[in-house]
Amino acid sequence: TQLLEQSPQFLSIQEGENLTVYCNSSSVFSSLQWYRQEPGEGPVLLVTVVTGGEVKKLKRLTFQFGDARKDSSLHITAAQPGDTGLYLCAAPGDSNYQLIWGAGTKLIIKP
Amino acid sequence: NAGVTQTPKFRVLKTGQSMTLLCAQDMNHEYMYWYRQDPGMGLRLIHYSVGEGTTAKGEVPDGYNVSRLKKQNFLLGLESAAPSQTSVYFCASSYGGRRTDTQYFGPGTRLTVL
Repeated sequence: TQLLEQSPQFLSIQEGENLTVYCNSSSVFSSLQWYRQEPGEGPVLLVTVVTGGEVKKLKRLTFQFGDARKDSSLHITAAQPGDTGLYLCAAPGDSNYQLIWGAGTKLIIKP
Repeated sequence: NAGVTQTPKFRVLKTGQSMTLLCAQDMNHEYMYWYRQDPGMGLRLIHYSVGEGTTAKGEVPDGYNVSRLKKQNFLLGLESAAPSQTSVYFCASSYGGRRTDTQYFGPGTRLTVL
């Protein structure tokens, strides 16, 4: 069974601090996506990574896909209250059209 | 452009009652999906559709049925609700079926079964 484990489950930090959250698996994936979900809303795609070692930047967010394509990290620089949300990672499952999802990291940025 | 919409936003059912959740998308997407989200667990795929008139089972299909009579609509039915179906239900759509394609999500339906 493929699993995506996200850590930490919960993180609360002050505005302006840096943070890193992780998405790990024992399986190798062809790609991995990160989504952000705000309270009362559905997830919104942030990035897709497809190559081992790939690094993508989205303003203050840096995403990295592990060299072995088993893990990924999301680093936020100088976090802002608008970064608050649930960060989910997702990767292809065994079945066609299916994604498997991590349980998420709930991030709270305090002003 | 409304994107993906879901109705209702909230619903409370008694055990054994039935209901239908409606999902509509205005992006002309071929692929549509129904997920459930439970605390401490990732999103789990219930059913999906690869085009008008087609449906297929996902990871957790038991107790649910779906229909896609029109390309823009995807309905999720619960014939006899059980407390284990208390969850937040999300509909999503995508232009293609590649798993690198962006899935666009609706705002969710919070369902409580007593």
